[in-house]
Parts: sequence; C-alpha cells; structure tokens
Amino acid sequence: QQKVQQSPESLSVPEGGMASLNCTSSDRNFQYFWWYRQHSGEGPKALMSIFSDGDKKEGRFTAHLNKASLHVSLHIRDSQPSDSALYFCAARRTGYQNFYFGKGTSLTVIP
Amino acid sequence: VTLLEQNPRWRLVPRGQAVNLRCILKNSQYPWMSWYQQDLQKQLQWLFTLRSPGDKEVKSLPGADYLATRVTDTELRLQVANMSQGRTLYCTCNSGPYSGNTLYFGEGSRLIVV
Repeated sequence: QQKVQQSPESLSVPEGGMASLNCTSSDRNFQYFWWYRQHSGEGPKALMSIFSDGDKKEGRFTAHLNKASLHVSLHIRDSQPSDSALYFCAARRTGYQNFYFGKGTSLTVIP
Repeated sequence: VTLLEQNPRWRLVPRGQAVNLRCILKNSQYPWMSWYQQDLQKQLQWLFTLRSPGDKEVKSLPGADYLATRVTDTELRLQVANMSQGRTLYCTCNSGPYSGNTLYFGEGSRLIVV
C-alpha cells in the first residue's frame, strides 16, 4: 500500500509560470514532511521541510501543510527551465528512521 | 559540500553475480547512515539504517537480495545479489531518528543487469 500519494504524475508549465504539486498521506502518524528534487543522473536533494499547519516560503518555493487532511502541496513561482526535474514528497513518523516517498511528479518547464 | 561519497557510481552486473557497494561519510554530524533503493519506475524505498560499527542486516525484496554492513563510523557497505532488474542504490545520512532531521542523499550507485 502506497502511504504517500503524489499528483499529478507529470506537469508542464511555461517559463515564468506557476507549478503546483500535490501530496496526500494515508498515515496519521506522519508528523514531518519534505519536498525533494531530483535532476537526471543525480541523487535527490532536499528542497524544503514543513512540519506545522500553514504556509512556508523559501524564495520562489512555497509549501503548504494541512495536517487535518494530511495534504501537502508545493508551489513554484516564476518557474525556470532549471526547475525541470522529478519532485518527491517524503514523510516520516516521530522516532522512526525511515522516510516514505511518493512516486514523484515529473516537472517540465518549457522555455 | 559533499556529505557522502559512493562507489562505484555505476556497474554492469552479469545476471546471477553479486556486487559490493561502498559509502563513505564525510561529516560526523550525520552519523545515521541508511540505504535506499530507486527502481526503474523511480520509486524510492528505504532498505536499512545502520548506526553502529558491526551492525549487519539482510533483506530480500522483489528483484534483489541485500546484505548491509556498518563497517566503521564512516563506512557503510551493501552487497547486492540475485538481481533481476536494474536499480540505483543511494546511501543517505542524517543526524538522528527523532524530530525533523533532513535526510541527505549521496549521488547513487546505478546497477545495470546484463
């Protein structure tokens, strides 16, 4: 059973546009959420974390968490071609070492 | 700054042959080391977390058998056997299992079955 679901599977946005990625968890024990980005041929890199309800903004990236609905989103403003990558949502329970990852959203930013 | 050094970066693996992977931790602030696999569909899955030298674990998943060993405070190894489909193995590190400690990935070891 997939504990972290992501949508859409793929997304294309024009350069300068807004990209919105979604993530839903089926496990209410998850307390901590991250967004990771993976460029082709590289390891995933942490973009940002979010642990409290509401918005968290870092530059062009804004994450939103709603713990009641176990929904996390990532919004990328002013998208750049270099933002083209695979984006993963990850979740973790308190006291457990392992992270659970969604299947990823493939983002293409069209110049 | 590179936290983890993995080798080999890629390897052609004849069907039925085992392969040994190595990961070196470059920053002692992140002593919790783990292995994750990424399959051909890009799904990431946790395999093991080994904290102390001497720790060993085995696991069988669809398509491969694994033996992980924490050799020293800075070295983690993984033997992959009976692999039927290619995959990429990532070494990771973080500062501990509690609260919101971020997981950091190495650049991966890509295994191709031939």
